[in-house]
Amino acid sequence: EDQVTQSPEALRLQEGESSSLNCSYTVSGLRGLFWYRQDPGKGPEFLFTLYSAGEEKEKERLKATLTKKESFLHITAPKPEDSATYLCAVQGDQTGANNLFFGTGTRLTVIP
Amino acid sequence: DAGVIQSPRHEVTEMGQEVTLRCKPISGHDYLFWYRQTMMRGLELLIYFNNNVPIDDSGMPEDRFSAKMPNASFSTLKIQPSEPRDSAVYFCASREGLALHTQYFGPGTRLTVL
Repeated sequence: EDQVTQSPEALRLQEGESSSLNCSYTVSGLRGLFWYRQDPGKGPEFLFTLYSAGEEKEKERLKATLTKKESFLHITAPKPEDSATYLCAVQGDQTGANNLFFGTGTRLTVIP
Repeated sequence: DAGVIQSPRHEVTEMGQEVTLRCKPISGHDYLFWYRQTMMRGLELLIYFNNNVPIDDSGMPEDRFSAKMPNASFSTLKIQPSEPRDSAVYFCASREGLALHTQYFGPGTRLTVL
């Protein structure tokens, strides 16, 4: 059965204090790993897709990396506006062509 | 475009009552998804439609849940009768084509069943 575990559940950082969020996954035949950002009262917003181990993607202060067992979302010199819940999701052979299996997220708070 | 529109944004009801959640997808999108989000289980797919036809409803938890898409611009998710464990945030999402990363989520409906 596909599994996605995100850690930590919550993270508080000082502005400028870099850190990483972890997404560990177990999936049969990974087709893609997705990172989303979710602000309070809003739906998830797409950030990145990673398809194979060793792949990296960057967007502003965010960098996502992928290994065969986990993905990291690195946040460099975060700002208060980076505060949000970050969701990881996987698509595998068993989740279906149109389904994503989501983790429960990491709630990030960046303090000015 | 206004994005995916959901109504109501908040719904409080009593156990046993019927609840209807509504969604207007982005114009031109041929896929529509209904998700449920809870603290314990995260975001779970309930059902999805392609060109107004239900394709996979294996995520619908019970027969109390039903979804319809009478046309390309409107879908409903109905719970009858509602129970306290149905309390969650329900999201509608739409997408054009098969690229999963182009899936756009609505703002969600927060449902509380007392």
